[in-house]
Amino acid sequence: NAGVTQTPKFQVLKTGQSMTLQCAQDMNHNSMYWYRQDPGMGLRLIYYSASEGTTDKGEVPNGYNVSRLNKREFSLRLESAAPSQTSVYFCASSLGQGGWTQYFGPGTRLLVL
Amino acid sequence: GNSVTQMEGPVTLSEEAFLTINCTYTATGYPSLFWYVQYPGEGLQLLLKATKADDKGSNKGFEATYRKETTSFHLEKGSVQVSDSAVYFCALSEDSNYQLIWGAGTKLIIKP
Repeated sequence: NAGVTQTPKFQVLKTGQSMTLQCAQDMNHNSMYWYRQDPGMGLRLIYYSASEGTTDKGEVPNGYNVSRLNKREFSLRLESAAPSQTSVYFCASSLGQGGWTQYFGPGTRLLVL
Repeated sequence: GNSVTQMEGPVTLSEEAFLTINCTYTATGYPSLFWYVQYPGEGLQLLLKATKADDKGSNKGFEATYRKETTSFHLEKGSVQVSDSAVYFCALSEDSNYQLIWGAGTKLIIKP
């Protein structure tokens, strides 16, 4: 039981390049989330998927797209990376909304030059 | 709107000291409240939670009580260890909403 896994662990991009961050969970959770974490700013929600087949914008969606590929997998795509997207990205999942615990992956550290 | 305010860090304590990290919130309804912990180089993990007023969440020697009258959920531990060094996040969630509202996090440093 791996929980929430993310790939890659670390990535360096040049401005304008694209990439996809992968996330998978094996807990049969319905809801999945993408966050970014920047120093002094806590966690900010980029996108979430309440259930398979649905996605919604969070607090900071600009510059990102997501795909809920199936119940297990939720990917985050940067179409044209910018230095402002340098951050640590976390994927999380939960059984449902509201008071359900969110389980986090180990994070992807992204540096955009 | 809903919000969570945590005390600013870093908080530096000696081993075996008493810990309090303050967390207050604003919410329109009756949220669930959480404390998450992030150890260096890792993702966040749930430390404890409380889902209604006067509930006490506890785990690994940490405790927090959901106080609706003061809109607070302060984290406490009687005797901290070096291994407790981490960043602690307070968060709330309305039952009707998929989003967690996060505090900015409080870095805790425990010196031997």
